[in-house]
Amino acid sequence: QKEVEQNSGPLSVPEGAIASLNCTYSDRGSQSFFWYRQYSGKSPELIMSIYSNGDKEDGRFTAQLNKASQYVSLLIRDSQPSDSATYLCAVLGSSNTGKLIFGQGTTLQVKP
Amino acid sequence: DAMVIQNPRYQVTQFGKPVTLSCSQTLNHNVMYWYQQKSSQAPKLLFHYYDKDFNNEADTPDNFQSRRPNTSFCFLDIRSPGLGDAAMYLCATSRDGAYEQYFGPGTRLTVT
Repeated sequence: QKEVEQNSGPLSVPEGAIASLNCTYSDRGSQSFFWYRQYSGKSPELIMSIYSNGDKEDGRFTAQLNKASQYVSLLIRDSQPSDSATYLCAVLGSSNTGKLIFGQGTTLQVKP
Repeated sequence: DAMVIQNPRYQVTQFGKPVTLSCSQTLNHNVMYWYQQKSSQAPKLLFHYYDKDFNNEADTPDNFQSRRPNTSFCFLDIRSPGLGDAAMYLCATSRDGAYEQYFGPGTRLTVT
């Protein structure tokens, strides 16, 4: 079992729709969770961090965390073509090494 | 603005010719990371410095070395690059290894 799992996609949504990206993780002791956006040929850009169960909203982005189910998601409302990118879920392991465990990423395509 | 800077952005080297990539940061973070990312793959951690303490990943080849002369700078040395070392090299920083990691723009390495 992979430590952090994401569907690789591509996930295709029409412009203006809600895009839902999902991630599961295996380390039950993990406390910190992050979503990075990565455009082709560019470096990962942090867009959301979440540490507590529930929802966290920032503009069009909402991160959701359920530690009991070991599940974290990212919702993008009013999706725009500029949101087309690969979204990486990253989990900070419980071993206090500061090591981020990345999922393989989900490619999102927003069609005009 | 506080940031992570990587130089050069693009580096072409010959097979077996040593190369050094640099990273600097103005975030005053005490942890610095080096990742290797190949096409369509998640970033792979090579090593990191927690303050002055060097932490090598078990599967990082001996061909890869790192130096951190002070808090702000970190270098990645590839002693004898092979064709398989062609990749994007990413530097990231974090505060205490317990919070978000911020990535620099990356260095794209080509080995001819």
